[in-house]
Amino acid sequence: QQQVKQSPQSLIVQKGGISIINCAYENTAFDYFPWYQQFPGKGPALLIAIRPDVSEKKEGRFTISFNKSAKQFSLHIMDSQPGDSATYFCAERVPVMDSNYQLIWGAGTKLIIKP
Amino acid sequence: NAGVTQTPKFRILKIGQSMTLQCTQDMNHNYMYWYRQDPGMGLKLIYYSVGAGITDKGEVPNGYNVSRSTTEDFPLRLELAAPSQTSVYFCASSRQGEGYTFGSGTRLTVV
Repeated sequence: QQQVKQSPQSLIVQKGGISIINCAYENTAFDYFPWYQQFPGKGPALLIAIRPDVSEKKEGRFTISFNKSAKQFSLHIMDSQPGDSATYFCAERVPVMDSNYQLIWGAGTKLIIKP
Repeated sequence: NAGVTQTPKFRILKIGQSMTLQCTQDMNHNYMYWYRQDPGMGLKLIYYSVGAGITDKGEVPNGYNVSRSTTEDFPLRLELAAPSQTSVYFCASSRQGEGYTFGSGTRLTVV
């Protein structure tokens, strides 16, 4: 079964520090890598996404970097804040039959930002 | 826009009972999904649909059924509830597999 391996499982970062979450993918027939943020008691929400034709995308304090040769993509959160404490999921969109698509999800990273 | 609306938000079922979790989206998305999320765990795909009248099994379909008669609605049916089905259920929709919008979830306990 196709997988996206996400690490670490949990992460504690001091306020103002850089949070880094990594994902390694297997399926090379991808075209879209999103990251989702989930707060306790809520559904996941799209945070930022990248396509493989670019190596980096930045939105505010959040940056996705993509390394095609290593089959990895990473989320960096600069100047991490307590409000960033959440669970983060990476995913890879792959084609399936009949021109349809599916997301393959990572297992999630629980991020805690200490004040 | 309401986005993806799930009802109910909470439910307690007895073993062997059945229920339907409702999901409606108003974004005219063609794809819809049902996931379950156990405490501290990731998302597991139960069923998905790429359009009205088309459904397919995900990773963990046993004990569940779905139907998709309209673009907007994608109900999930639990038959003969078991304690292993205690979980939080999320419905989501997307356009061609991008930009999933999730509902707020249904917390189900089977006792």
